[in-house]
Amino acid sequence: GQQVMQIPQYQHVQEGEDFTTYCNSSTTLSNIQWYKQRPGGHPVFLIQLVKSGEVKKQKRLTFQFGEAKKNSSLHITATQTTDVGTYFCAGKVNTGNQFYFGTGTSLTVIP
Amino acid sequence: KAGVTQTPRYLIKTRGQQVTLSCSPISGHRSVSWYQQTPGQGLQFLFEYFSETQRNKGNFPGRFSGRQFSNSRSEMNVSTLELGDSALYLCASSLDIPGDSNYGYTFGSGTRLTVV
Repeated sequence: GQQVMQIPQYQHVQEGEDFTTYCNSSTTLSNIQWYKQRPGGHPVFLIQLVKSGEVKKQKRLTFQFGEAKKNSSLHITATQTTDVGTYFCAGKVNTGNQFYFGTGTSLTVIP
Repeated sequence: KAGVTQTPRYLIKTRGQQVTLSCSPISGHRSVSWYQQTPGQGLQFLFEYFSETQRNKGNFPGRFSGRQFSNSRSEMNVSTLELGDSALYLCASSLDIPGDSNYGYTFGSGTRLTVV
């Protein structure tokens, strides 16, 4: 069945270092969304990517959608302690309306 | 405006019992989805409702059911509870069908169900 995998599962970085999480799908996606879940909280919508090769930026966050629309990445420049949390991608396949959430990447930022 | 409201926040049930969880979406949101979140499995899709119709259903047994009312409020029911049903159940609403426009989900704080 459809799977959306994320790597790495965990990432510890020093404050100020960069961070990247990768999302890979076994099938082509129509669009992909990214969410952030703070410890003890619920996922919060960050952004949606739709077009092949699309790149979007939100301050220190850069989101990319692969040319084949099977992978995506989230890059954070110069991490801050406020970036701590688990980042999830969620992809929708072309043929259905269901969003499949990735396994998540838990980010720890060491001050 | 008020966010997505889920009740109750916490619930403890014994095996074999049944439970009903409630979700009130953001006013005006017509799409409601339910997810089960566990440490080992991440976010697993349960159902999606839009204008009272179930549009999609995940790979969960028939013990898991749901419905959406005309005011967009939604309930999910789990019958014959098992220990493995212990999880955080998240409800998410969206103005339109998620992904069909630029709308993402707005999640509620969830109901933490513990089955003993």
